[in-house]
Amino acid sequence: QSVLTQPPSVSGAPGQRVTMSCTGSSSNIGAGYDVHWYQHLPGTAPKLLMYGNNNRPSGVPDRFSGSKSGTSASLAITGLQAEDEADYYCQSYDSSLGGSVFGGGTKLTVL
Amino acid sequence: QVQLVQSGSEVKKPGASVKVSCKASGYTLTGYYIHWVRQAPGQGLEWMGWINPNSGVTKYAQKFQGKVTMTRDTSITTARMELRRLLSDDTAVYYCAYSTGWSDIWFDPWGQGTLVTVSS
Repeated sequence: QSVLTQPPSVSGAPGQRVTMSCTGSSSNIGAGYDVHWYQHLPGTAPKLLMYGNNNRPSGVPDRFSGSKSGTSASLAITGLQAEDEADYYCQSYDSSLGGSVFGGGTKLTVL
Repeated sequence: QVQLVQSGSEVKKPGASVKVSCKASGYTLTGYYIHWVRQAPGQGLEWMGWINPNSGVTKYAQKFQGKVTMTRDTSITTARMELRRLLSDDTAVYYCAYSTGWSDIWFDPWGQGTLVTVSS
């Protein structure tokens, strides 16, 4: 069981908007720790997609956006493209565990 | 620009140990950390711990205490992760990842990953 909870899968048609959630608790997201997002394609290294809740690294399209409220965070993708099909992971810090924690991952399918 | 290059795939028997290396280039000498994250087949990402290559200080996730040791070489450009008493459940892709701290941080970049297969 992952400390951060993500839906196992989401899907959308090309051009649509999808969102995926990441739910934590009072010892991680709810404690004010930032949430970061990674895109992971099979056979490749995870790629940083969003840091500090809503900041995009250079090269990440502005179709990707992040938000955080309370004990949860969300990643939104607009103008869905076939190349967005991947696994997405959220990550934060947990003060009770004294280390970083990941969500279980959400598989995005572009229909 | 930081780059991390990991050692190649390994096949080990149950009970053995494995050591995976992660060579960093383009990093700042002080104030950075190397974390280790693994992904078992069909599973999600799992954080294992970190090492500060400059000081040698380490922090391990509770699950891996007593099973993992993270070290760095004297040139502090290569970090290593040793996993002992391997079980079939330790079959996974192991990644090293760079961060500028140990809490409230993100990982970027990542090494390319090292597949460790535990099989009799």
